[in-house]
Amino acid sequence: DIVMTQGALPNPVPSGESASITCQSSKSLLHSNGKTYLNWYLQRPGQSPQLLIYWMSTRASGVSDRFSGSGSGTDFTLKISSVEAEDVGVYYCQQFLEYPLTFGSGTKLEIK
Amino acid sequence: EVQLVESGGGLVQPGRSLKLSCAASGFTFSNYGMHWIRQAPTKGLEWVASISPSGGSTYYRDSVKGRFTISRDNAKSTLYLQMDSLRSEDTATYYCATGRAGYPFAYWGQGTLVTVSS
Repeated sequence: DIVMTQGALPNPVPSGESASITCQSSKSLLHSNGKTYLNWYLQRPGQSPQLLIYWMSTRASGVSDRFSGSGSGTDFTLKISSVEAEDVGVYYCQQFLEYPLTFGSGTKLEIK
Repeated sequence: EVQLVESGGGLVQPGRSLKLSCAASGFTFSNYGMHWIRQAPTKGLEWVASISPSGGSTYYRDSVKGRFTISRDNAKSTLYLQMDSLRSEDTATYYCATGRAGYPFAYWGQGTLVTVSS
C-alpha cells in the first residue's frame, strides 16, 4: 500500500500569516501520463470533507486562490496564503494512483 | 447541483449485518464511479470500497474484503454498501463520494453513522 505521511503545523497560526502543509508518499505518484495523482481536502469541524486541489496543483471549482498545491513525485505541499478563520479544520492529502486509495493522517489548522 | 444522501446507519451488534444506501441526484449517475469512505470517531479518513460506473468492477480495502459488498442500481441512482460480520472496528461515519478522473472524491454526502457494539 502507498503510505501518505503528513506534517504538523505550528498551531495556532496567526490570522493573515501563511501556512504550509507537507505530505510525503512512499511511492512516486507521477504517472507516465505526466499527471501526479495527489489530491488535497479540507474537513471543517462537523462537516464532510471538501476537495481543494486535484492533480497536485489544480484548484477545485470555487476554491480560493489563497490555496495552492505543489510538489514532486513523492513530496508535496499545500500552501495557504494569508490564513483566515474559515480555513480552520483538518487537511488531508490523498493518493489515487492505485488501490487501495490512501489518505494522510490529517493536519489540523488552528487560527490565532 | 450534485447531491449525495446516505442512509441506513445505526447501532448493530458485532457479527450482524447492515446495508447502507446513498441516493444520488444532480448528475448522470451511470457515468460516475462511486466510493465509500469512512471515518472512525476522532480519526482520519479511510477509503473502504469503489465501484465502476457500470458496476462491473469493484475494489475493497483488505480489512473489509469478503465482509462488505459495494453495489449500485443505475436505474435508481443509488449506491449500496452491504456490511456483514460487522466488527467493533467498523464503527465509523460512512460517506459516499463521487467524481471523475483526477478527482474521484469531488463530491461527498453528509455521512451516516454506524456503531457496532453489544
